[in-house]
Amino acid sequence: AQSVAQPEDQVNVAEGNPLTVKCTYSVSGNPYLFWYVQYPNRGLQFLLKYITGDNLVKGSYGFEAEFNKSQTSFHLKKPSALVSDSALYFCAVRDRGGATNKLIFGTGTLLAVQP
Amino acid sequence: GAVVSQHPSRVICKSGTSVKIECRSLDFQATTMFWYRQFPKQSLMLMATSNEGSKATYEQGVEKDKFLINHASLTLSTLTVTSAHPEDSSFYICSARSGGAGELFFGEGSRLTVL
Repeated sequence: AQSVAQPEDQVNVAEGNPLTVKCTYSVSGNPYLFWYVQYPNRGLQFLLKYITGDNLVKGSYGFEAEFNKSQTSFHLKKPSALVSDSALYFCAVRDRGGATNKLIFGTGTLLAVQP
Repeated sequence: GAVVSQHPSRVICKSGTSVKIECRSLDFQATTMFWYRQFPKQSLMLMATSNEGSKATYEQGVEKDKFLINHASLTLSTLTVTSAHPEDSSFYICSARSGGAGELFFGEGSRLTVL
């Protein structure tokens, strides 16, 4: 069965500092990996995805993530945090060899950027 | 990116009544749509996979007769919460994929409050 773990419920960072939101995954085959962001009372917005190719993926709003197969991780990063980055972030995985198209989400990490 | 529209964004109803939530893909066709439920400060729980022209596939523990899903066209899926009770109060989010390996696009969510 596929699963996603986001070990941190909340990450606090000062504006201008680099940020990392952690994600590890478990699938039986090779994964499709995604990051989404959610603002209060809103749906999810797509940030970036890893399908194949370069392990470093660049996405929206200056975010990037690195696929690490040996560590089964897909951590989200940004070199310089903004207060407006404060939101709930979800990592998600889909087994590319799986029989369904289901996307499984992690529990979410609340990012709080202090001015 | 592709646009998914969800309506209504907020609905308040009395216990025992039924509520219908619509999910539309505005600029692409979606043979498959997904319905999620999100409790406060929690992750998204996949409720069911909506398949155009056929029956929905429900996740374990989700009552089919309680949460009726209809995917009548390639751009519209509906979720009807029948005989709603206060414990059905939640944030319901739909999503759709525009391509085979692509990311999901999400609606803005529907906040259901059952009095």
